[in-house]
Amino acid sequence: DPKIIQKPKYLVAVTGSEKILICEQYLGHNAMYWYRQSAKKPLEFMFSYSYQKLMDNQTASSRFQPQSSKKNHLDLQITALKPDDSATYFCASSRPGQGKYFGPGTRLTVL
Amino acid sequence: DAKTTQPDSMESTEGETVHLPCSHATISGNEYIYWYRQVPLQGPEYVTHGLQQNTTNSMAFLAIASDRKSSTLILPHVSLRDAAVYHCILRALNTEGADRLTFGKGTQLIIQP
Repeated sequence: DPKIIQKPKYLVAVTGSEKILICEQYLGHNAMYWYRQSAKKPLEFMFSYSYQKLMDNQTASSRFQPQSSKKNHLDLQITALKPDDSATYFCASSRPGQGKYFGPGTRLTVL
Repeated sequence: DAKTTQPDSMESTEGETVHLPCSHATISGNEYIYWYRQVPLQGPEYVTHGLQQNTTNSMAFLAIASDRKSSTLILPHVSLRDAAVYHCILRALNTEGADRLTFGKGTQLIIQP
């Protein structure tokens, strides 16, 4: 059974458009995260949430907005897409003091 | 978070035991040592973590130096599936669990058949 679902797996968008990346976790974890990995670069932290509240934000641009409608959901809305936003976006979750569980990722390509 | 230093790459053969070193000379007393691994096109996978005592699980053995300035991830009897980039990351415990991990380049582990 999938523990973290990310949808879609692949996403192609045009410059200036808006997309929403979906993340659902079925691990009962209280904390959820978004990370981004551009081609051949280390994974980069974006946001962390705990009990649906924003705890940490390392993303300078307001074009990236996390949305938590349920305690096991953390979606990522990206507006005014740019080619530099092309990357694989990973959702993760965890409990306090435990390792993080990462999802399979959404590979976004902005043309 | 304190910084870690790892070799860029290491190579081994199937069936061997691999020792992956990590140096963290400026580690703070409340920082845990976490290990993750990542294969191409997949998200990172949690391997293990420890504070002061050596730890073991089904994936690996983590040996932590008595002064905590270095650690070694030991992978017994490696297979081709263990080929990945291994990341050693320090992080203080956050009681709410919503802490961020800072990934570096890690160590590329190459396994020969």
